[in-house]
Amino acid sequence: DAKTTQPPSMDCAEGRAANLPCNHSTISGNEYVYWYRQIHSQGPQYIIHGLKNNETNEMASLIITEDRKSSTLILPHATLRDTAVYYCIVRVVAGTASKLTFGTGTRLQVTL
Amino acid sequence: DTAVSQTPKYLVTQMGNDKSIKCEQNLGHDTMYWYKQDSKKFLKIMFSYNNKELIINETVPNRFSPKSPDKAHLNLHINSLELGDSAVYFCASSQSSGGGYTFGSGTRLTVV
Repeated sequence: DAKTTQPPSMDCAEGRAANLPCNHSTISGNEYVYWYRQIHSQGPQYIIHGLKNNETNEMASLIITEDRKSSTLILPHATLRDTAVYYCIVRVVAGTASKLTFGTGTRLQVTL
Repeated sequence: DTAVSQTPKYLVTQMGNDKSIKCEQNLGHDTMYWYKQDSKKFLKIMFSYNNKELIINETVPNRFSPKSPDKAHLNLHINSLELGDSAVYFCASSQSSGGGYTFGSGTRLTVV
């Protein structure tokens, strides 16, 4: 699976949009971009994933550049409960040997 | 109902003991995993099972023995516990055809 690069930490004011970047310049054509987050010591939580089109769900939006070498996770109106470590992961989506490999992620701190 | 449930939530034990952690998922997924998160918060995959068959074994000491009695359960047995085994262990499940992983809430193992 391709590797990703994320900033170690970011701050965001409550109510503002949080834009979390991720570089994945070695991504292969069959690899998807996944985002997870881990709030404090809870289990990681799936947020969203995509291949090449932008995606949106009730939690967030995922913007993938046309060359697929980078992406941005957008939390449109961050709240204090969004404070967490956010992980950007690229992987082949299917197959029994496919696995999620976590990096160090971005620690997002949402403040009042 | 909890989608992926692990028991126990906390486990404190002495060095040299043998202990087990249980995991059950009610999502109908065909693949289950064990992850270890150490004190530096790095999440690392240990094992994955697909339909009761071991698929991934990430160079884990053979003191760790996973067992999958059916595709809804994946237990982790650890022999001769060592101080370095202290960590949070997360169980997860997914469908091999695609989609996100669902994680349990973790088991905090402390070896004293």
